[in-house]
Amino acid sequence: AQSVTQLDSQVPVFEEAPVELRCNYSSSVSVYLFWYVQYPNQGLQLLLKYLSGSTLVKGINGFEAEFNKSQTSFHLRKPSVHISDTAEYFCAVSDIQGGSEKLVFGKGTKLTVNP
Amino acid sequence: GAVVSQHPSWVICKSGTSVKIECRSLDFQATTMFWYRQFPKQSLMLMATSNEGSKATYEQGVEKDKFLINHASLTLSTLTVTSAHPEDSSFYICSARVAALTNEQFFGPGTRLTVL
Repeated sequence: AQSVTQLDSQVPVFEEAPVELRCNYSSSVSVYLFWYVQYPNQGLQLLLKYLSGSTLVKGINGFEAEFNKSQTSFHLRKPSVHISDTAEYFCAVSDIQGGSEKLVFGKGTKLTVNP
Repeated sequence: GAVVSQHPSWVICKSGTSVKIECRSLDFQATTMFWYRQFPKQSLMLMATSNEGSKATYEQGVEKDKFLINHASLTLSTLTVTSAHPEDSSFYICSARVAALTNEQFFGPGTRLTVL
């Protein structure tokens, strides 16, 4: 069964600092990978996704992620964060060939950007 | 595009009553919708997968008689929490998948249910 591990439950950073949120997945098959952001009391908004092709994926709000098949990782990065980036971030994975349309989510990383 | 709405955004009800939550895809047809439950400071837990015109598929441990799901059209799925109890209080989020896209799900804004 697939699983997603977000190694850091909380990441505090200062405004304008770079940030990396880590995500590792376990799957023996090809996968689709997603990062979602959730602001308080709201649903999830897609930041970016990896389906195929270039391993460096650029998303909204200046975020990017790199798919590393050998390390089964999909870490999210931003070179300079803003106060408004404070939110919960979820990594998710879905099988390409497993016949399952489900998304498996990690437990989330709470990013707090301090002034 | 790909907007999903939920109604209501929050609801407070008395123990023993039933509550219906609607999930609509506003600008696309969703062959599959998903219902999630999220406890405070936790991840999303998939409750069930809802396919238009057929019975929902529930995840292990989710009571199908407690959480009734109906997907009567390509743009509407409903979740009814029957005989709600305080332990059913949670944040319920739906999502919709477009068949043409690769497993990407578009999420609704969520419904906060509080059972007194």
